[in-house]
Amino acid sequence: GESVGLHLPTLSVQEGDNSIINCAYSNSASDYFIWYKQESGKGPQFIIDIRSNMDKRQGQRVTVLLNKTVKHLSLQIAATQPGDSAVYFCAENIGNDYKLSFGAGTTVTVRA
Amino acid sequence: GAGVSQSPSNKVTEKGKDVELRCDPISGHTALYWYRQSLGQGLEFLIYFQGNSAPDKSGLPSDRFSAERTGGSVSTLTIQRTQQEDSAVYLCASSLEAGETQYFGPGTRLLVL
Repeated sequence: GESVGLHLPTLSVQEGDNSIINCAYSNSASDYFIWYKQESGKGPQFIIDIRSNMDKRQGQRVTVLLNKTVKHLSLQIAATQPGDSAVYFCAENIGNDYKLSFGAGTTVTVRA
Repeated sequence: GAGVSQSPSNKVTEKGKDVELRCDPISGHTALYWYRQSLGQGLEFLIYFQGNSAPDKSGLPSDRFSAERTGGSVSTLTIQRTQQEDSAVYLCASSLEAGETQYFGPGTRLLVL
């Protein structure tokens, strides 16, 4: 399953398939990007981050891709599981600024 | 180790009342942040503390909102004369240093009737 365009608020994916969540950012000065997962009733949970001197970073079952040319960030989840159902937020940080700017979030629903 | 903790987890109050929300950051983290999340929305930055420096209050929506951080650790966010539009989840985060990864607490769900 894949969310496309500027931003789709929901993504439905079959269990076991790979998920791709997309995020567009507007500030070319942003140099640090983070993906958070937020389950219902809980605070955002750090998933993975990437700095602007990289274009790809891998974690456990997750990969973040950064395309600075088109100011696009994506989160790939391999072999999506029911526990991956949540809202996923991308956030950006500019230089030494400590304020995170969050996107509106994509709701991922995993179908059994 | 222990993560960021917040209390209370839920708060229901009447319009016009004052509320205090508490945040205990991760031990050793020098930076502390407050954000607000309205229903179905992303997070909105409110205020930031770093060590003993003056806090950045630029995100506070009105002068009814204030926050303090005592001893470089625990922080309290105070909302005076609450309004219904203050209803939201208030999230606290901390990081080892400014610009490092922010780790969030579970939030306080505030409902103003």
